[in-house]
Amino acid sequence: EVQLVESGGGLVQPGGSLRLSCAASGFSFRNYWMTWVRQAPGKGLEWVANIKEDGSEKYFVDSVKGRFAISRDNVKKSLYLQMDSLRVEDTAVYYCARVFDFWSGDHYYYYMDVWGKGTTVTVSS
Amino acid sequence: IQMTQSPSSLSASVGDRVTITCRASQIISKDLNWYQQKPGKAPNLLIYAAAKLQSGVPLRFSGSGSGTEFTLIISSLEPGDSATYYCQQNNITHQTFGPGTKVEIK
Repeated sequence: EVQLVESGGGLVQPGGSLRLSCAASGFSFRNYWMTWVRQAPGKGLEWVANIKEDGSEKYFVDSVKGRFAISRDNVKKSLYLQMDSLRVEDTAVYYCARVFDFWSGDHYYYYMDVWGKGTTVTVSS
Repeated sequence: IQMTQSPSSLSASVGDRVTITCRASQIISKDLNWYQQKPGKAPNLLIYAAAKLQSGVPLRFSGSGSGTEFTLIISSLEPGDSATYYCQQNNITHQTFGPGTKVEIK
């Protein structure tokens, strides 16, 4: 079964750090871009970061640049999100997702086809 | 790239045809996906590349559009379709979700 399981969430004070993990199983993890998406309480979805199959390319939403780092270990089939200098507004459920890409002949299309259940991060004093 | 959706919410009856519109602030070709999210659950992919139905998704869901305007249609609403629907532009370097459309069953 294709599965993603997040862990590492919790309560942290503003300015603190947290490291989220996402364990993949049931598919060839090394062959996919991976992504983190978050959802603040009662709010919509917000893309946070992407990482290429080999880790050579990483992209972030502006609000987390310089504070968050995304990484992966293809041997352990795991994705990570290191979150530093956390702010109250980082409070959210954090989802990891697999990014599927397909070539249409002249263009790559990307979409998030497998999602974990999420892990909750609460930033509060 | 900013994404907008309309309406922000709607209430419809079982069997109704439901249309949700998504607009991009600039041309995105067909780089547009649709997701369904039920309360307390992770999102679920419905449509990718603007019009391609994800495997396992019921045929009553369809998508269309290109450029800056896109549409998700539920041809005949069922009780289990009560959810929030999000569009997403999929530039791999910077992805953006729309604000969501909440669909309720009358």
